[in-house]
Amino acid sequence: NAGVTQTPKFQVLKTGQSMTLQCAQDMNHEYMSWYRQDPGMGLRLIHYSVGAGITDQGEVPNGYNVSRSTTEDFPLRLLSAAPSQTSVYFCASSYSGQRSSYNEQFFGPGTRLTVL
Amino acid sequence: KQEVTQIPAALSVPEGENLVLNCSFTDSAIYNLQWFRQDPGKGLTSLLLIQSSQREQTSGRLNASLDKSSGRSTLYIAASQPGDSATYLCAVILRSYKLIFGSGTRLLVRP
Repeated sequence: NAGVTQTPKFQVLKTGQSMTLQCAQDMNHEYMSWYRQDPGMGLRLIHYSVGAGITDQGEVPNGYNVSRSTTEDFPLRLLSAAPSQTSVYFCASSYSGQRSSYNEQFFGPGTRLTVL
Repeated sequence: KQEVTQIPAALSVPEGENLVLNCSFTDSAIYNLQWFRQDPGKGLTSLLLIQSSQREQTSGRLNASLDKSSGRSTLYIAASQPGDSATYLCAVILRSYKLIFGSGTRLLVRP
C-alpha cells in the first residue's frame, strides 16, 4: 500500500512553460485534492474532486487545471507557468460519501516547483 | 468564513516537558478536526483525527481534544523528545471535505 504518491519531487520551469504534476493513491479514496504551501500563507486549496469525472475549484484555482478520469489519479496541470506559482504542491486523499464519518486525509510527499 | 488560528507560533522546550499546542476556529460547523506534523522539507503526516461527535483522541504520547462549542482544540504532547521537533498543523474538515489549515506551531525540543 503506497498511499499517496506524487511525481516529480522537484521541478524547475521557465515562465510560460506548461507541465503536469502527477498524483496517485491506492486506497480507493473518492475524495482527492491539491494544495499549495507558501511561506506566510499556509496551505491553500487549489482544486478538488469527489469522484471520477467530478472536479471543482478551491480557494486559488487560477492558472491550474485538473481532471479526474480514474479513482486513482488526479493530475494538476499548469497551463502557462508564472513565477507566482513557485511553491510546494501537495496532493491529498480521503474517503467520502458513505464512509465520511472517518474522513482522515492523507497527504503525498509534495512537489517543489520553481518558476524562473 | 472559517478561520483557524494556532498559538503559539513557535515554542522551545527542554526535553521531558509536557506541552500543549492550541488551535482555535471561528465557525463551530465543522465536520472533523485533524492534527498533522510536518518536518522541514517534508510532507504532512497525520497524527490524530477527531470526529465532531468526539471529545478527544489519543495515540501514544499524544492526546487531542475538541470543544466545538468554544471553537477550540488542543494537542497535548507528554514527555517531549528531541524527535518531536517539527511544525504541528491543525486543520478543520468541513462537510465538503475541504480542509482549512492553521498557520502551524514550530516546536523545538532541546536535548
